[in-house]
This record gives sequence, structure tokens and C-alpha cells, in this order.
Amino acid sequence: GAVVSQHPSRVICKSGTSVKIECRSLDFQATTMFWYRQFPKQSLMLMATSNEGSKATYEQGVEKDKFLINHASLTLSTLTVTSAHPEDSSFYICSAFRQGATEAFFGQGTRLTVV
Amino acid sequence: KQEVTQIPAALSVPEGENLVLNCSFTDSAIYNLQWFRQDPGKGLTSLLLIQSSQREQTSGRLNASLDKSSGRSTLYIAASQPGDSATYLCAVGRGGSEKLVFGKGTKLTVNP
Repeated sequence: GAVVSQHPSRVICKSGTSVKIECRSLDFQATTMFWYRQFPKQSLMLMATSNEGSKATYEQGVEKDKFLINHASLTLSTLTVTSAHPEDSSFYICSAFRQGATEAFFGQGTRLTVV
Repeated sequence: KQEVTQIPAALSVPEGENLVLNCSFTDSAIYNLQWFRQDPGKGLTSLLLIQSSQREQTSGRLNASLDKSSGRSTLYIAASQPGDSATYLCAVGRGGSEKLVFGKGTKLTVNP
């Protein structure tokens, strides 16, 4: 199966700082990647769709200026949580879709804790 | 708006038992349905993918069925083992898209 690598797996940051999370497709090119967020005891919720070479598409209620997404190459998308606050503490996970495939492949996820 | 519900929220069974996890969705216009496994603090492992035109998929001790018209899917686990303990997530793909709408999951505990 296709491999998607997400880094870091766990990060703790101070309130007000920014954190960058990387999502890489290791053995295929992904024109589209997706970013999800999961709060405790809640379902995974789609935050945004990341398209290579163009602006990301954000789901309703997700602040695009707070969650910056860059998809500069066919194998890398980054999510930057700017001016992080404790309420941003969550599990963030990316998925990538290989052209011609029928399913998305997920990264390992990033546990973000803002203190 | 598509909503996915999973019942039960938690399930505890003795080792060796056969069990069924349930998933329902409100909009039958789905592209596909996937079952995932999530271990604590870890990412997702895809277990089974059922296309909208299919009725079921099998992999080892796992069997997933799909009744699109009634908006239901079940995941059957045969001869459960302690290593099956995890949270099982059901997700439906939106029409023609790779975006997934997830349920909250069923937390399964298989006791030795």
C-alpha cells in the first residue's frame, strides 16, 4: 500500500507560538491531500483540502488565517497552526490520495498540546 | 449534510467471541464506505473498503457489508482476539470525492 508520513507525531508548544506539521507521500504523487482534526471523544472532522499549486479549500468554521496550508509539491503538504491556543490542542491527521486509487491513505497523526 | 453514526460507542467481549459493529449514514448518495482501525494516539489503518456498487468485502476474520439504500453497514469480526482491541471507525466518501465523513467510532475491548 501507499505510504504517507506525518511529522512530528507529538508536539508541545507554548500558547502564542506557531507549529508546523508536515505530511509527505513517500512513494506516490498526491495532487490532493486532506487535513483532519479530532478532539477527544469526537469524530475526525475534515478541516481543509490541500491542492498542489493552488490555495487550500477550508471547511466551514475553520479559520484559514489560523490554519495555514501549503502544498508546494506533489509529495508534501504542511499545516501551520499560527498563534496556537490551548483550545487548538487536538489530534491532527492528514490523508493523501493517489491518482487512480479508490482510497485515501493516512499519516500517523500529530498530537498537538498547547500549554 | 451527511452524518455517520456508530453503535455501540463501546463494546467489551471475551476472547473468541464473534461480534458485529454497526454504522449508519443519513445520505445514501455515497461514493464508498471504509472501515478503519485506530489504536490509541496512532493514525488510521484501513481495514476494508466497499465501493457503493458492492454489497460486502472480506479480509481474513473481517467481513463488512453495505446496504446503501437503508444507509447501513456492519463490520463482523470473527473469533475476536485481544489484539483486536482498538477503536473502529466507519467513514463514507462523498460522491466522487475522496473526502471522508467519519463516525465517532466504537471502542472495542477484547478480554483474554
